[in-house]
Amino acid sequence: LAKTTQPISMDSYEGQEVNITCSHNNIATNDYITWYQQFPSQGPRFIIQGYKTKVTNEVASLFIPADRKSSTLSLPRVSLSDTAVYYCLVGDIGTDKLIFGTGTRLQVFP
Amino acid sequence: SAVISQKPSRDICQRGTSLTIQCQVDSQVTMMFWYRQQPGQSLTLIATANQGSEATYESGFVIDKFPISRPNLTFSTLTVSNMSPEDSSIYLCSVGGTSSSYEQYFGPGTRLTVT
Repeated sequence: LAKTTQPISMDSYEGQEVNITCSHNNIATNDYITWYQQFPSQGPRFIIQGYKTKVTNEVASLFIPADRKSSTLSLPRVSLSDTAVYYCLVGDIGTDKLIFGTGTRLQVFP
Repeated sequence: SAVISQKPSRDICQRGTSLTIQCQVDSQVTMMFWYRQQPGQSLTLIATANQGSEATYESGFVIDKFPISRPNLTFSTLTVSNMSPEDSSIYLCSVGGTSSSYEQYFGPGTRLTVT
């Protein structure tokens, strides 16, 4: 089972842009890439979803290259409240299962 | 979006006993999922529960250990049977969004500690 990997942690300061990358070289052909945010003692919360190129909503952008073997979640101008763990979720072509990434713990400093 | 509640929010149980976790959704949904999340780790899917059919279990999880019920479109239970300390974890239920199963809505989780 191929792993969906992310950096373990990232630090940033308020007002900066943060880019979190997920590597998913075994992604299923027709599956979307979805990102979630999780605060302590809460379930994950949906942020954004995309299939290819770029998707933007009111909280984030998602960049997906043509080969779809990775994706980058971009958080513009982070604030302290963006301190959380971020997970990507993709379909695995080998097992036809949805796999959560290893998670990235983002710490935002004042 | 769906609002999901879980009961209990946390529990401390003795080895060898069983605990049933309830998941209630505020709207009718077809697909419900049960996950396990060990402290500091990512989420692992235990099973998918569709109303009117047997739950589908992922590799490493069996019905005898994690029986699931799905009596209607707004409710499901997960039982952790014959518990051991290795079962200490957070158990989360989720439901698929209206557009696809990739957009899931999660409950707050049940923190289980087995002593």
